[in-house]
Amino acid sequence: DTAVSQTPKYLVTQMGNDKSIKCEQNLGHDTMYWYKQDSKKFLKIMFSYNNKELIINETVPNRFSPKSPDKAHLNLHINSLELGDSAVYFCASSQGTSYGYTFGSGTRLTVV
Amino acid sequence: AQSVSQHNHHVILSEAASLELGCNYSYGGTVNLFWYVQYPGQHLQLLLKYFSGDPLVKGIKGFEAEFIKSKFSFNLRKPSVQWSDTAEYFCAVLGTGFQKLVFGTGTRLLVSP
Repeated sequence: DTAVSQTPKYLVTQMGNDKSIKCEQNLGHDTMYWYKQDSKKFLKIMFSYNNKELIINETVPNRFSPKSPDKAHLNLHINSLELGDSAVYFCASSQGTSYGYTFGSGTRLTVV
Repeated sequence: AQSVSQHNHHVILSEAASLELGCNYSYGGTVNLFWYVQYPGQHLQLLLKYFSGDPLVKGIKGFEAEFIKSKFSFNLRKPSVQWSDTAEYFCAVLGTGFQKLVFGTGTRLLVSP
């Protein structure tokens, strides 16, 4: 059973489109995250939710909107996609905010 | 604020060579420290972590790391690397009171057979 699963694994889309990435964890964790990994492999946090409540919102364009319908799910919706949004997006979860994170397998987004 | 620096961006070793990857963090308070590995095309996997206690922590696949508080360091070591250790290695810090794991820029390790 996959602990943190993301869909889709690959996403190729045109500039200006709107797309969503879904994430689900079956670990019973109460905190979930979205990280962006750029072409140089640098990982930067975007958002974090704890029990469906937004607790971290880094400096991210407001075209990015996370949604957490319940503590096991955290989705990421992106409006008006731009070339610079091309990256690998990783979902992660943890029990509380002081422990190691479990990462999903990533979604490689390519905007053309 | 908390930050992490990894000094080696690219490391090339032959099989059986010893490995040490540097990691320094900046945060004056209590920290939890982690090393993650990302194999080509895969997600991040936890290699090892330090929360408290013995500063020498052992992880999976023969890796270990030593926390030296006075040097704000958490270097990763392995006595003898294998070709399958080829991957990107990330050091990360979580400071007490912060709610996010901050990663270093990563070190790409290439082990030649």
